[in-house]
Amino acid sequence: QKEVEQNSGPLSVPEGAIASLNCTYSDRGSQSFFWYRQYSGKSPELIMFIYSNGDKEDGRFTAQLNKASQYVSLLIRDSQPSDSATYLCAVNNNDMRFGAGTRLTVKP
Amino acid sequence: EAGVAQSPRYKIIEKRQSVAFWCNPISGHATLYWYQQILGQGPKLLIQFQNNGVVDDSQLPKDRFSAERLKGVDSTLKIQPAKLEDSAVYLCASSTTGGAEAFFGQGTRLTVV
Repeated sequence: QKEVEQNSGPLSVPEGAIASLNCTYSDRGSQSFFWYRQYSGKSPELIMFIYSNGDKEDGRFTAQLNKASQYVSLLIRDSQPSDSATYLCAVNNNDMRFGAGTRLTVKP
Repeated sequence: EAGVAQSPRYKIIEKRQSVAFWCNPISGHATLYWYQQILGQGPKLLIQFQNNGVVDDSQLPKDRFSAERLKGVDSTLKIQPAKLEDSAVYLCASSTTGGAEAFFGQGTRLTVV
């Protein structure tokens, strides 16, 4: 069974702080990793993808991947109230599986 | 570039009735996914197509759910007969290949009463 685990939260951070979201996966053959953001009542939208070990930065977002530990994370710097949403981790090894998501609330 | 199109947006049916959902992926995308998302949960993969072939349908309840992608473009997902626990949002997504990022349609919200 291919499992993708995330802390369900809710995670609450003050505006301007760093939000850290974590994800672990069971399928060691997984090749590509994605973070999606989902606002209430909306469809998931892609934030970032990462394929190689290490860090990948895009604006305020940094994705980190450690295949040996089967761990992927997302850091959001200078968090804004508009970042309040559910963040979904997705892992792909010929099929794309999602975690349950972490609900993030950024308080002004 | 047009996104993933899904219809209908909303559907209310009685249990034991049948229902069908339609998806048109982004042009040129070979991979198409159907997900079921129950309120408060992450998307659950039901079936994945690569062109018109099935890559993974291990989590599709085949006694009541069926899906097809006959010409490798549009896809339909059918439920027959529906149960109360099928109430969920059904999401279609597409990607250029099986390992690439996927883009989602707006989803179909199904309510079974």
